[in-house]
Amino acid sequence: ETGVTQTPRHLVMGMTNKKSLKCEQHLGHNAMYWYKQSAKKPLELMFVYSLEERVENNSVPSRFSPECPNSSHLFLHLHTLQPEDSALYLCASSQDYSREKNEQFFGPGTRLTVL
Amino acid sequence: GEDVEQSLFLSVREGDSSVINCTYTDSSSTYLYWYKQEPGAGLQLLTYIFSNMDMKQDQRLTVLLNKKDKHLSLRIADTQTGDSAIYFCAEKRPGQTGANNLFFGTGTRLTVIP
Repeated sequence: ETGVTQTPRHLVMGMTNKKSLKCEQHLGHNAMYWYKQSAKKPLELMFVYSLEERVENNSVPSRFSPECPNSSHLFLHLHTLQPEDSALYLCASSQDYSREKNEQFFGPGTRLTVL
Repeated sequence: GEDVEQSLFLSVREGDSSVINCTYTDSSSTYLYWYKQEPGAGLQLLTYIFSNMDMKQDQRLTVLLNKKDKHLSLRIADTQTGDSAIYFCAEKRPGQTGANNLFFGTGTRLTVIP
């Protein structure tokens, strides 16, 4: 257990559905991240929040919409996804956004399949 | 190149040593990390090395850093079946604060044969 939980663990959705992924960290960290993990590709950083404010947005399509209501919770809202969006979505947290060492703690991920 | 590079697969026999290699991109990168991902789980930080070191040992794990060649390796001594997982190399590039300077490789899937 890393102190970062994600729900659901598996999600199957159609292209017209709306769903949300949830992440919660119990570590008292100030920064939270969404990553996309696809087979045979490097891990892709999608969004970063520091103290509930978005600080990074790496050219992610608008069909992915993050929300960070407080420093312990992070959501990823999904709408009209494409089959190529099928992947493992990982949430991570770290003590602070700006620390040089920036050790990140990852959740188990949500395996998303878009039909 | 811009990508952190790793071989995709490695198989070793139980009890042997495993060596997982990584080529990173920026010789000025400050921290180099090794993460482990077990089936159905997220990434777990295994170890890291600061750029002013060339070796770090932690029990069965030895990290070697060759800054000239931008080469990082992870050696696992006496590899066990529980070491079967995907191992990710990551580099922390300088010049910016925050997470957008942490870059991961594709991961190497280590299979330990009993």
